[in-house]
Amino acid sequence: DAKTTQPNSMESNEEEPVHLPCNHSTISGTDYIHWYRQLPSQGPEYVIHGLTSNVNNRMASLAIAEDRKSSTLILHRATLRDAAVYYCILRDPLIKAAGNKLTFGGGTRVLVKP
Amino acid sequence: DVKVTQSSRYLVKRTGEKVFLECVQDMDHENMFWYRQDPGLGLRLIYFSYDVKMKEKGDIPEGYSVSREKKERFSLILESASTNQTSMYLCASSPPGTVKNIQYFGAGTRLSVL
Repeated sequence: DAKTTQPNSMESNEEEPVHLPCNHSTISGTDYIHWYRQLPSQGPEYVIHGLTSNVNNRMASLAIAEDRKSSTLILHRATLRDAAVYYCILRDPLIKAAGNKLTFGGGTRVLVKP
Repeated sequence: DVKVTQSSRYLVKRTGEKVFLECVQDMDHENMFWYRQDPGLGLRLIYFSYDVKMKEKGDIPEGYSVSREKKERFSLILESASTNQTSMYLCASSPPGTVKNIQYFGAGTRLSVL
């Protein structure tokens, strides 16, 4: 799997937007960009994914650079419940390896201050 | 909502004991996974299954086995527990297909082997 690089941690104030960067300079043309998050004492949960175009859902937005070498997860209004570790993962659907396992890196720990 | 349920949140066992970790999903997913999560090492795939009675080794299968007799249930077995198997164990399931391949995780079982 191609490698991703994320900052170790970020802080935000409640009700403010949070922009979480992810660098993936070795991304291949068929890699999808997936984001998961892990709340304290919980298993990871899916947040969003995209290929080339920006994506929105009820949890977040995903902005993908034109060259696809980086992306940004945007939480529009952070709440205390958004405090978690956020993981950026590349997945190639054309490679059926190990049942499409997910490879989690270190992620970004998001702290939300009231 | 997809639900992946792990039978225990916390478990304490003694060295040499045979340990069973149970996982049940209610969404009729074909694929099921067992990961372990350790500080600094991220999530590592132990075993996965893509159908009933089918299983394949992941990255760290040594010391573990699995059982999938029914589609909704995937069990992880520690044949003879050792202290280096103290970890957080996460079960996940996903539907077939590779393009989206969202994995749904249970809350995890924190196992301590004394």
